[in-house]
Amino acid sequence: AQSVTQPDIHITVSEGASLELRCNYSYGATPYLFWYVQSPGQGLQLLLKYFSGDTLVQGIKGFEAEFKRSQSSFNLRKPSVHWSDAAEYFCAVSGAGGGNKLTFGTGTQLKVEL
Amino acid sequence: DAGITQSPRHKVTETGTPVTLRCHQTENHRYMYWYRQDPGHGLRLIHYSYGVKDTDKGEVSDGYSVSRSKTEDFLLTLESATSSQTSVYFCAIRQVMNTEAFFGQGTRLTVV
Repeated sequence: AQSVTQPDIHITVSEGASLELRCNYSYGATPYLFWYVQSPGQGLQLLLKYFSGDTLVQGIKGFEAEFKRSQSSFNLRKPSVHWSDAAEYFCAVSGAGGGNKLTFGTGTQLKVEL
Repeated sequence: DAGITQSPRHKVTETGTPVTLRCHQTENHRYMYWYRQDPGHGLRLIHYSYGVKDTDKGEVSDGYSVSRSKTEDFLLTLESATSSQTSVYFCAIRQVMNTEAFFGQGTRLTVV
């Protein structure tokens, strides 16, 4: 069965510092991978996605993520965090099999200190 | 923004009563999903649909049923609501497998 692990429940960084949110997935074939962000009381917005090709993908708001098949990871990074980046971040995995289910991790809550 | 609407947005109901949540899309997307979101659990898949009258269970389907009689509507029913079903419910739509999902604004359901 497919699954996603986000080992960090909460992360606090200072504004202007770099950020890396971890995501490990389990899927039997080549996965489709996503990062979503959720601001308080809001729905989910897509940050970026990986389907194939270049393993370093760029997203909105200055975020990027790198797919590492050997480590089953898809970590999200940002070189300089802004106070408006405070939110909850979700990693998700899908694929061609399994009825096209989209499975999410438990999320990482990001706090930004000014 | 993707054309996806959830109704109602908020609902308070009593234990043991039936409840139906509606997800309506105007995008003609094939796939539709129902998730529940609870603190510490992220989004957990309840049921999903890959076409009209084609549905399947997710990881937390007990106590829930779904129906999809037309492409644009995906209904989630709690046959007899329990307090453990108090949650925020999100609907999502997806065109094909290698595209992202778009989410509705959520329905906050409280079972008292």
